[in-house]
Parts: sequence; C-alpha cells; structure tokens
Amino acid sequence: DAGVTQSPTHLIKTRGQHVTLRCSPISGHKSVSWYQQVLGQGPQFIFQYYEKEERGRGNFPDRFSARQFPNYSSELNVNALLLGDSALYLCASSFTAGRAGELFFGEGSRLTVL
Amino acid sequence: GDSVTQMEGPVTLSEEAFLTINCTYTATGYPSLFWYVQYPGEGLQLLLKATKADDKGSNKGFEATYRKETTSFHLEKGSVQVSDSAVYFCALKDGTGNQFYFGTGTSLTVIP
Repeated sequence: DAGVTQSPTHLIKTRGQHVTLRCSPISGHKSVSWYQQVLGQGPQFIFQYYEKEERGRGNFPDRFSARQFPNYSSELNVNALLLGDSALYLCASSFTAGRAGELFFGEGSRLTVL
Repeated sequence: GDSVTQMEGPVTLSEEAFLTINCTYTATGYPSLFWYVQYPGEGLQLLLKATKADDKGSNKGFEATYRKETTSFHLEKGSVQVSDSAVYFCALKDGTGNQFYFGTGTSLTVIP
C-alpha cells in the first residue's frame, strides 16, 4: 500500500509569493495533519483535519490555511511568504483522530524562500 | 501548555554500547507518548508508543516506559548498531487527540 505522498518535494519561492503544498493520505485514513519542521528542530503543529473539518490549529499566522477534500487529500496554503517560512513541511495521516492514534508521515515538501 | 523536553545531542556511541535518550513531558490530562525516528533522507517513522501510565513500548530492541510519577518516557537500547544512526524524536499526543508535541530531536551516530 502507498504511504503518505506529498508534492512537490522541493520548491523555491521568493518573499511575498504564495505556495500550495499537497498531500494524499494513506488509503482509509480520514485524518490529515500538517507540521512545519525547521532545520535542527522538532516538527511544529500547524493544522489537523478530520472528515474534512478543521479539528485543531497551531500557533501560526493567518497566512497559513488548509483544507481537506472529499477524498481526504489535503492542501496547505501559505500566503505572503517570509524568509522564516523556509522549512520542511510534513503531512501526516492517521486512521482516527483519537488520542492513541499514531501519525504516519510523508517525506515532506522542502520550501526555500529567497 | 503541553510540551516535551528531550536530551540534547549529538550523541556518539560505539557499536554494541548501551543507549539512553532522556525525555520528559509536561501535559494536562492523559497524553499518549511516542518515539519517532528519522533516518537520513527519510521521513519520520513511528518507533514505539505507550498510551497509559506504566505501559512499555518496544520495537527493534528499543524500549521506553511511560512513567507518570516522573513524567518521563526515556528511550533505551541495550546494544546499538551502526544502522541505528538517526535522529530520534520524543512526542506526546494531547488528551484531545488533535495535536502532537515534539521534542527538538536527538541525533545519534553509532561508529563501528
């Protein structure tokens, strides 16, 4: 079975631009989460979606938005890019949104903002 | 708020040495605890988990016990191999189930 897939794997943008990152969860998984991992740090929670509804939002500005589609895939959008948005963006899926559910991560989209 | 603090690295060990990576947490409610591993050039993979106090998670020779009294979830392995070289992340999932909190990661290098 395919794991969590993300696209694109690498991208370069300039300050002020907009970016859309895409994620397909593992088949059967209904929950998708997004995390930002800055070099040398642990992943930081951005959003969680379950059954197409936002279930959680981390401490990120309104420039960050996301949505989940009927097929459970997801998009993360970042507007007005800043240099500090350069990071590895990780998508993770889980079968449920419960406390014991583990996350299955994709390999990430590495965003560089110049 | 909830948080995880883990031992800073990098850690360098010789093959067959004993490994301990310390992890402590702060949480309201009853979190679940996890160790994830990130091998070079790869995504994060679940290594082991524990969902309630005194549970022991284990996988690939690694173990960690959920200690509520000391709010700890230390990772141990009796004999490390070169193939264990990776970055290890301690994490907790809060009681709502909506969010994971990760530590900053501990880089492990095992030399032959």
